[in-house]
Amino acid sequence: EVQLLESGGGLIQPGGSLRLSCAASGFTFSNHAMSWVRQAPGKGLEWVSGISGRGDNTYYADSVRGRFTISRDNSKRTLFLQMNSLKAEDTAIYYCAKDLKVALSALTRLLFDYWGQGILVTVSS
Amino acid sequence: SYVLTQPPSVSVAPGQTARITCGGNKIGSKSVHWYQQKPGQAPLLVISYDSDRPSGIPERVSGSNSENTATLTISRVEAGDEADYYCQVWDDSRSGHPVVFGGGTQLTVL
Repeated sequence: EVQLLESGGGLIQPGGSLRLSCAASGFTFSNHAMSWVRQAPGKGLEWVSGISGRGDNTYYADSVRGRFTISRDNSKRTLFLQMNSLKAEDTAIYYCAKDLKVALSALTRLLFDYWGQGILVTVSS
Repeated sequence: SYVLTQPPSVSVAPGQTARITCGGNKIGSKSVHWYQQKPGQAPLLVISYDSDRPSGIPERVSGSNSENTATLTISRVEAGDEADYYCQVWDDSRSGHPVVFGGGTQLTVL
């Protein structure tokens, strides 16, 4: 059974930093691209960032490029999101999501067949 | 950047057919994926590649895609289908936002 479990969220002041983790199990982690998708309170889904299976390709939404860094440790089956210079508008539930396809270095045509339960990040003073 | 337009809400009586649209410029040339999200839950993939149903999704749920509109169709709607539905595509235009979601449609079962 595929499981994705996020951790590391919480309340942080504007300008602060936070690191999210997503522990994966139930599939060959290194074979799949992974992404972070967020959802602001009462709003729709927004893709934040993606990383290829090997970790050699990354992609960011314009809204977070230069502030967020995605990474992965395939030996520990864990996905990360380092979030710096946080703003109030980054307040959201953050989901990690698995790409359906098997692809080691490609980061394209993503679609998400499994999602974590989400972790809340609140940026407020 | 590429924009996907969904109606904010759709209402349907139990047993009837719900159709949720997703509009985009030449969306028929892209693969469209649909997600269902119930309150307090993570999204669930219900249709991939325009019309493929993942394992466990009932045959009542189907999808189509042509020209400028993709459609998610739920036949014989049940109370348990009440949820928000999002369409999603991959945009190759290198706009800086390659994964695009529609704004979501709230399906209400009357």
